[in-house]
Amino acid sequence: GQQVMQIPQYQHVQEGEDFTTYCNSSTTLSNIQWYKQRPGGHPVFLIQLVKSGEVKKQKRLTFQFGEAKKNSSLHITATQTTDVGTYFCAGPLGGGTSYGKLTFGQGTILTVHP
Amino acid sequence: AAGVIQSPRHLIKEKRETATLKCYPIPRHDTVYWYQQGPGQDPQFLISFYEKMQSDKGSIPDRFSAQQFSDYHSELNMSSLELGDSALYFCASSFGKSYEQYFGPGTRLTVT
Repeated sequence: GQQVMQIPQYQHVQEGEDFTTYCNSSTTLSNIQWYKQRPGGHPVFLIQLVKSGEVKKQKRLTFQFGEAKKNSSLHITATQTTDVGTYFCAGPLGGGTSYGKLTFGQGTILTVHP
Repeated sequence: AAGVIQSPRHLIKEKRETATLKCYPIPRHDTVYWYQQGPGQDPQFLISFYEKMQSDKGSIPDRFSAQQFSDYHSELNMSSLELGDSALYFCASSFGKSYEQYFGPGTRLTVT
C-alpha cells in the first residue's frame, strides 16, 4: 500500500550537533507536513511544504521538499535540549479528495545529550 | 489561543464495554480528524469529517463509529472494546481539508 518511510528511527546527538531526518513517499504528494511530538505530548504542526523543490526555514530548522515531491527532509542546526522529541513527516496519500487523510512516517526520535 | 479540547483525558474500560470520546475543535475550524496512536507508533488515521459530513475513512474498525454535530464537535463511539484498543486517541482540527492539522491533547484509553 501507499507508505511514507522515515529514517532514521532514532538519533542521539550531543547538544550543538546538527540533526537531519528524511522522509520518502511511495507516491507523489500534493504537500507534506512536519510535526513534532514531545514525550507524553501531542503532535504539534511545524510546517507544510507544497511546491516542488521548496525550502523553508524556521530559525534553526530547515525543511526541504524534493523536486519530484516524493521526499522531504528536516534539518536542525546546533541542536538544543528543547529539540528533544519525535519528528514526524506526514502526507495526504489518500488521493482524490482525501487531502486531509494524513499518513504519517514512522517518526524519528531525537535525543539530545547536554 | 484556543486549542482543540478532548474529553476525557483518561479512560479506563473493561473488555466488551463501550466508550465515547469527545472532541471540540478550534473555533471556526470546519474539519475534524480522529487518530489512534499505539505506544511507540505513529498516529494512524481513523476517520474525518468536513462540515459535519464524513469525508475520509481510514483504518477504523466496524465497532467504532463517529459523527460531527451541528456545533462542529465530534464524538468517537467505541463498542465491544478489546485489549488492543488501548491507545492514545487524538482529535485534530483544521480549517479546510488541505491545511495543517492542530491536535488536541489526546484521550488515553486503557482497556482491561
